[in-house]
Amino acid sequence: NAGVMQNPRHLVRRRGQEARLRCSPMKGHSHVYWYRQLPEEGLKFMVYLQKENIIDESGMPKERFSAEFPKEGPSILRIQQVVRGDSAAYFCASSPSGPSSTDTQYFGPGTRLTVL
Amino acid sequence: QKEVEQNSGPLSVPEGAIASLNCTYSDRGSQSFFWYRQYSGKSPELIMSIYSNGDKEDGRFTAQLNKASQYVSLLIRDSQPSDSATYLCAVKGAHTGNQFYFGTGTSLTVIP
Repeated sequence: NAGVMQNPRHLVRRRGQEARLRCSPMKGHSHVYWYRQLPEEGLKFMVYLQKENIIDESGMPKERFSAEFPKEGPSILRIQQVVRGDSAAYFCASSPSGPSSTDTQYFGPGTRLTVL
Repeated sequence: QKEVEQNSGPLSVPEGAIASLNCTYSDRGSQSFFWYRQYSGKSPELIMSIYSNGDKEDGRFTAQLNKASQYVSLLIRDSQPSDSATYLCAVKGAHTGNQFYFGTGTSLTVIP
């Protein structure tokens, strides 16, 4: 049973370019969360999605960032016109269902984004 | 006030000792609590989950929850050098849908 998969594992972009980060949840999981982690800092929630729906994007910057989880295929976190401050590790986590209070999140290996 | 607070450490304990990691949270209605371990450069790995007041044991790990004091802790018995990592406390908010709040983590070093 494959775990949460993320690609690419490392991504280098120049300022002003676009970054696309992909996440495939664990089999049987329909809920995806994206987090950002800066060096020596904790995980910061960005967005929570179900298939074809954004449930909570309260942690997402208002500009340049967007996320989707289409009916088919992986969830994608998109960062337009990247700046150096976007350099961080971006983690995706998945859980099997939303409303249950016993849900647990399982993390993917992360994508380390470096903006030159 | 942060949703979840942890002492950043670093915490150092000798091999074989008990390591005690603490976490407080602000949302009194929270019902789900988790401890994750994160090695440097790696992703968080779930260690324990706890939902009821009291202790929950799993091998060398014991999670303790006190909802009245809004406090959750993790004890690691017989600490090993391989336990050296950052430990993240996570709380599922009661009034924010499915959002999980993470502390900044406590860095633990087990000295051989």
